[in-house]
Amino acid sequence: DGGITQSPKYLFRKEGQNVTLSCEQNLNHDAMYWYRQDPGQGLRLIYYSQIVNDFQKGDIAEGYSVSREKKESFPLTVTSAQKNPTAFYLCASSRAGILLTDTQYFGPGTRLTVL
Amino acid sequence: GQQVMQIPQYQHVQEGEDFTTYCNSSTTLSNIQWYKQRPGGHPVFLIQLVKSGEVKKQKRLTFQFGEAKKNSSLHITATQTTDVGTYFCAGNNQAGTALIFGKGTTLSVSS
Repeated sequence: DGGITQSPKYLFRKEGQNVTLSCEQNLNHDAMYWYRQDPGQGLRLIYYSQIVNDFQKGDIAEGYSVSREKKESFPLTVTSAQKNPTAFYLCASSRAGILLTDTQYFGPGTRLTVL
Repeated sequence: GQQVMQIPQYQHVQEGEDFTTYCNSSTTLSNIQWYKQRPGGHPVFLIQLVKSGEVKKQKRLTFQFGEAKKNSSLHITATQTTDVGTYFCAGNNQAGTALIFGKGTTLSVSS
């Protein structure tokens, strides 16, 4: 059953702690993305990766870090430097690494709450 | 910077009424995509428009791409409660290296 999985669905952390969100895809897609969604703000791009071992900052990368050691996996770490980390985080992938405007397939999301 | 604007932000209709959301870009787009996000869910791809003036239909949904390729619309005929959700348009940035999503139009339908 192909798709994108994100875990966990809900995550609670204390302020000042780093937390890593998981994203795995078995669609054999080259490109992967992380978005943050806040009410009324739409989708804002945090980081993206066109190919293994390479990634680029999006519009709101400050306070976040990523890695792309495997094609299937693109974990996102929310660091203590992120001022307002409570949000809904969406991972997505698309087929072509070069054509970043290709259709994107989204995972179910992780809702992070920092207490 | 480049923006993709969507209006309205919210729309409430009675079941059976029509609904339209509009998407406008500050620059010419090579294509535009539409996504739907159900409450509590994640965005799901609906359609992509590429050609100037293109019109595509999916059952009660009609998608249009403007002649200048700077605007688009999604029209739903005779809304149903299953149409509830947030509809996003997304266009490419000038460098063609990323999709820029609009902020979405949230549709609510009362029966």
